[in-house]
Amino acid sequence: AQSVAQPEDQVNVAEGNPLTVKCTYSVSGNPYLFWYVQYPNRGLQFLLKYITGDNLVKGSYGFEAEFNKSQTSFHLKKPSALVSDSALYFCAVSANTNAGKSTFGDGTTLTVKP
Amino acid sequence: GAVVSQHPSRVICKSGTSVKIECRSLDFQATTMFWYRQFPKQSLMLMATSNEGSKATYEQGVEKDKFLINHASLTLSTLTVTSAHPEDSSFYICSASTRTGGYYGYTFGSGTRLTVV
Repeated sequence: AQSVAQPEDQVNVAEGNPLTVKCTYSVSGNPYLFWYVQYPNRGLQFLLKYITGDNLVKGSYGFEAEFNKSQTSFHLKKPSALVSDSALYFCAVSANTNAGKSTFGDGTTLTVKP
Repeated sequence: GAVVSQHPSRVICKSGTSVKIECRSLDFQATTMFWYRQFPKQSLMLMATSNEGSKATYEQGVEKDKFLINHASLTLSTLTVTSAHPEDSSFYICSASTRTGGYYGYTFGSGTRLTVV
């Protein structure tokens, strides 16, 4: 079975400060890891993914994430937060052999204050 | 990039009626589509996996007779909520799976807010 944990329900940061949204995972085999953002009453928007290769993955809107195999983590980061980054963020994992079925974390609400 | 169109974005229906939600892949063929349900301030719950031309695979606890899924073509999957009740009110999201260069990618629809009154 595969699982994802996002230990923080809420993350608050000031605009201009760096932000981190945490994610740890459990999966059999090599993982596919994803981050998505969701705005109110909208579907999910893809931010970035790790499949293979460099552990540091750069994605949309200045976000990046670092894959750490030993810690089974895939934390989302951004060097300088914007108020418009305020949204709900989901981490997801999929085993690379399972035809694409993803398991999502419970989500972390990011609030960036001016 | 890949785009998935989901309609309607919002629907209000009377209890006991059926509602159909469509999910279309606009510029690619989606052999596999996923249907999720999301309750307020909660994560996505996978309801079923839909493969073109075959019966959908439902997750445990999801009533297949209540949530009818049809994936008749490579670009269209539909979810029909039959005999809807207020407890079916939720946000439903579809996702299409694409395989590029040996790896899977996922594109999500914009979601459908269903309210049953």
